Amino acid sequence: DQQVKQNSPSLSVQEGRISILNCDYTNSMFDYFLWYKKYPAEGPTFLISISSIKDKNEDGRFTVFLNKSAKHLSLHIVPSQPGDSAVYFCAARDYNTDKLIFGTGTRLQVFP
Amino acid sequence: KAGVTQTPRYLIKTRGQQVTLSCSPISGHRSVSWYQQTPGQGLQFLFEYFSETQRNKGNFPGRFSGRQFSNSRSEMNVSTLELGDSALYLCASSQPGLAGSTDTQYFGPGTRLTVL
Repeated sequence: DQQVKQNSPSLSVQEGRISILNCDYTNSMFDYFLWYKKYPAEGPTFLISISSIKDKNEDGRFTVFLNKSAKHLSLHIVPSQPGDSAVYFCAARDYNTDKLIFGTGTRLQVFP
Repeated sequence: KAGVTQTPRYLIKTRGQQVTLSCSPISGHRSVSWYQQTPGQGLQFLFEYFSETQRNKGNFPGRFSGRQFSNSRSEMNVSTLELGDSALYLCASSQPGLAGSTDTQYFGPGTRLTVL
C-alpha cells in the first residue's frame, strides 16, 4: 500500500518554463513533507520542506504547495534549468512512527 | 564537514550468500537510516538506528538486519540473498532534536548490490 504516490514517472519541460511535480498521500498522520532531488550515482539531496501547518514554502526557484484537504502537495520550479534534470522524490513523515515514507519518484528532464 | 560515506559502492553476490554494507554518518549525527531503492518502488525504509538502538523498522523480512556502533557508524546485513534483493541501498544520517532542525536526512551515494 503506497502511502505516498507520485503518479507521473517522468516529466519533460523546456528550459525557462515552470516544472510542476505532484505528490499525493493517504495518511492523515503525516505532519511534515519534504522533496529530495537525486542525480544518477548520487544519493538524494534535500531540496525543500513544508510543515503541515503551512500551505506554501518558497526557497528561490523552488516553491512547495500543500493542500491538506486534498492530501496533495506539489513542487514548482521556475524558471526550470537543465541542471534541474534529476529524479525528484517527495517524502512524508508519519507523526506517530517518525518514519519517512518516500514516493516512487518523478524523473524531470529540462531541455534547452 | 565530510558527507555520508558508504562502502562498498558496488557489490556482486550470488543467491544464498550474505552481504554486509557499511555506512559512516556525518560527524555528530547520531541517527542512521537505511533504505532500499528499486525501480518503480521508490525508497523503501528498512530501519533506523539511534545511539546504537534500533528505533524504527520497516516491513522487510528478518534476513535484513543492522546495527550501529558507538561511533555512530552503521552496518546492514542481508543473509541468504535472493535475486529480488538486487537494489541500491542508501544510508542517511540525521541529528534529531536539534533546535530548529527539520530532521533532514543526508544521504550517502549508496551501495549498488547485484545478486546473480
